[in-house]
Amino acid sequence: AQSVTQLGSHVSVSEGALVLLRCNYSSSVPPYLFWYVQYPNQGLQLLLKYTSAATLVKGINGFEAEFKKSETSFHLTKPSAHMSDAAEYFCAVTFTGGFKTIFGAGTRLFVKA
Amino acid sequence: KAGVTQTPRYLIKTRGQQVTLSCSPISGHRSVSWYQQTPGQGLQFLFEYFSETQRNKGNFPGRFSGRQFSNSRSEMNVSTLELGDSALYLCASSFGSGLAPSTDTQYFGPGTRLTVL
Repeated sequence: AQSVTQLGSHVSVSEGALVLLRCNYSSSVPPYLFWYVQYPNQGLQLLLKYTSAATLVKGINGFEAEFKKSETSFHLTKPSAHMSDAAEYFCAVTFTGGFKTIFGAGTRLFVKA
Repeated sequence: KAGVTQTPRYLIKTRGQQVTLSCSPISGHRSVSWYQQTPGQGLQFLFEYFSETQRNKGNFPGRFSGRQFSNSRSEMNVSTLELGDSALYLCASSFGSGLAPSTDTQYFGPGTRLTVL
């Protein structure tokens, strides 16, 4: 079955520390992959997306993600966390053959001063 | 360019009632998707419409239905409301290439928070 798994429902980092949010998908064919961020009481905003071009994708707000086919992963990173990064992050996948996007369960990022 | 708008933003209903939620996509976008977001289940895909046609549907009972109008505006309806239908309902629009799978960026509205008492 097609699925998206985000490891860790909560991640806490100190301001200035590396942010690493993990996402794995299950599919025999590389899908299209997305990372979204959701701030409280708001909709989702696209951070970045992978569409089979470069495997290292740069997004907004200093975030980037690397597509690793051998590991079926698309982890999100940011070298230095900022307080404003505190939010919930969703990994999402669009699989071939369908017009629907499957979202991971989300990871809530906490940033400590 | 105006973003995706959803109305109403908040709604309180009682069990057994029905509800209609509205979504106006970004101008020029022809694809509209609906999602249900709950703390326990996360974001669940409801359905996607493109040019007034439903192209895909998630695993929800038939009480959940939707439609899209010629101007790309979309509505979703939930009949015979249950307590478990309490959720944030998000609408997302995209340009819609007409091809599968879509790599279009989805733009989300702020959502409609439905509370069923």
